[in-house]
Amino acid sequence: DAKTTQPISMESNEEEPVHLPCNHSTISGTDYIHWYRLLPSQGPEYVIHGLTSNVNNRMASLAIAEDRKSSTLILHRATLRDAAVYYCIPLKPGANSKLTFGKGITLSVRP
Amino acid sequence: DTEVTQTPKHLVMGMTNKKSLKCEQHMGHRAMYWYKQKAKKPPELMFVYSYEKLSINESVPSRFSPECPNSSLLNLHLHALQPEDSALYLCASSQVKAGRVLNTEAFFGQGTRLTVV
Repeated sequence: DAKTTQPISMESNEEEPVHLPCNHSTISGTDYIHWYRLLPSQGPEYVIHGLTSNVNNRMASLAIAEDRKSSTLILHRATLRDAAVYYCIPLKPGANSKLTFGKGITLSVRP
Repeated sequence: DTEVTQTPKHLVMGMTNKKSLKCEQHMGHRAMYWYKQKAKKPPELMFVYSYEKLSINESVPSRFSPECPNSSLLNLHLHALQPEDSALYLCASSQVKAGRVLNTEAFFGQGTRLTVV
């Protein structure tokens, strides 16, 4: 399984953009990069995923480096509700696909 | 309906009790998962079911016994648990096609908070 490295924590101001980095230098060519977040007192929530191209959805954008060894989750305007632990997870589709959570990055949002 | 429903929300059980956790989804997902989450730690994968068959067991002790009676339901039977098994137990589901878990999002329930006394 590919290993990931994320900063332990990051702070942001409300309504400002946030860039959450993730290094996954051992990622294989077929691993997709998924991001999930863990909000306080809730189960994990899917955020976004991609393979090679940058991706956008209503929650966030995902910028993937050309060599795929790193990616950045972008929250365009942070809200207080975005305060959570964010997990970057390489995931290979297949019969034994396992969504495995690492340490994650804790995002704090200041009002 | 994009919900994964877990019952009960809270459970307190003694070390000699037998109890079950239940999970239900109606999204047509054929992959279902059990996770265990201790306080201030990330969720840890316990079991994966694909097409109602156990496909992954992450070396979980036999006092935890999963069961998938049909494509919408997933149970976790608990027996002779220890206080250190107290945790939040999360269920999740995702799509499967031709036996392969698809590269789509997994949906998680809100969990059952288990306390073993």
